[in-house]
Amino acid sequence: EAGVAQSPRYKIIEKRQSVAFWCNPISGHATLYWYQQILGQGPKLLIQFQNNGVVDDSQLPKDRFSAERLKGVDSTLKIQPAKLEDSAVYLCASSLGTGGPYQPQHFGDGTRLSIL
Amino acid sequence: KNEVEQSPQNLTAQEGEFITINCSYSVGISALHWLQQHPGGGIVSLFMLSSGKKKHGRLIATINIQEKHSSLHITASHPRDSAVYICAAALTGNQFYFGTGTSLTVIP
Repeated sequence: EAGVAQSPRYKIIEKRQSVAFWCNPISGHATLYWYQQILGQGPKLLIQFQNNGVVDDSQLPKDRFSAERLKGVDSTLKIQPAKLEDSAVYLCASSLGTGGPYQPQHFGDGTRLSIL
Repeated sequence: KNEVEQSPQNLTAQEGEFITINCSYSVGISALHWLQQHPGGGIVSLFMLSSGKKKHGRLIATINIQEKHSSLHITASHPRDSAVYICAAALTGNQFYFGTGTSLTVIP
């Protein structure tokens, strides 16, 4: 089966610019996650979708970050305006059904964002 | 304070050595996941444990629920095992706490 697809793989922008990342989960996976992974740290959940509804966005900096999954399949994550501290790898993951502790998450290769 | 602590942070081993990576957590969990992250970012799920022990090839994962501790063992390590290994504590619902990872380098 095809894995989780993310694009772009790399992005370099200047601070205060905007950027968008795209994710296409594994076919049939209802749950989709966006994580931020800063160098040397573990992934931090930004937002979780189940189909096209938001399950958890408590750690999403809503003043600058937004995400959508309009048709319950692929998703976009946007940052506007970007700050230096947003430099990180942005990982998308998906899982079957409603997710939960017993479901493995399948990760994409991530988008490495560098802010100048 | 991190809910999930891993040790060591960095580990260098000679090819063929037996490797142990430790994970301690402070929260009540439903399951504990071990993940492997290769340079370039891609993360692969290795194990999901809620009790006991699981084995896949040269990898073995154990968990002690009472002591809130899990270990990942690699037997007969190989340079291709070089990666960052992350444990993640999965609570009821959808909340996951990730460790900061153990960076493993296996030297030929």
